[in-house]
Amino acid sequence: RKEVEQDPGPFNVPEGATVAFNCTYSNSASQSFFWYRQDCRKEPKLLMSVYSSGNEDGRFTAQLNRASQYISLLIRDSKLSDSATYLCVVNNNAGNMLTFGGGTRLMVKP
Amino acid sequence: NAGVMQNPRHLVRRRGQEARLRCSPMKGHSHVYWYRQLPEEGLKFMVYLQKENIIDESGMPKERFSAEFPKEGPSILRIQQVVRGDSAAYFCASSLTGTGVEKLFFGSGTQLSVL
Repeated sequence: RKEVEQDPGPFNVPEGATVAFNCTYSNSASQSFFWYRQDCRKEPKLLMSVYSSGNEDGRFTAQLNRASQYISLLIRDSKLSDSATYLCVVNNNAGNMLTFGGGTRLMVKP
Repeated sequence: NAGVMQNPRHLVRRRGQEARLRCSPMKGHSHVYWYRQLPEEGLKFMVYLQKENIIDESGMPKERFSAEFPKEGPSILRIQQVVRGDSAAYFCASSLTGTGVEKLFFGSGTQLSVL
């Protein structure tokens, strides 16, 4: 089983749609969780950290469910510029480096 | 305040040659991570270094790959006798404390192409 698993997609949605991605992780001792965004052939950039209480940043909402070991990202009112690959990231057993999921590709169409 | 700097941006090598990839972390960061991304795949951890120390190299292939982060100068990822399967994007990231609970800052990556 992979440490961090994501549906690769692609998710094809129209502008203005709401889309949600889930991610599962295998290490119950993981303590830090993030969503990164990666545009084609570019470096990953932090989108948001994920907290147990859930957190929101504009159109983006992240949730963490420790009992089920999954993380979600909700994007409301999708924009064309949201088209990218979204990477779920979890810290590893030793806590000193981050493990990336394979990414979920989002394509927002006009 | 410059971000993480990687060079070269693109590197072309023939099979059997050596590839040297450089990474300068963000100012004040002493923790460096190397990740590899094969085409259409996610980022795979390779190695985590602090100045003059390799902390975790569990993701490094057993042969031909090595990494260092000297007291002075950039971190170097070295691939000897490259093969076509080494063609990938190699990303370097740095962090302030290296505890795994903070975000990583990534460089723009080095795209290695092996002919």
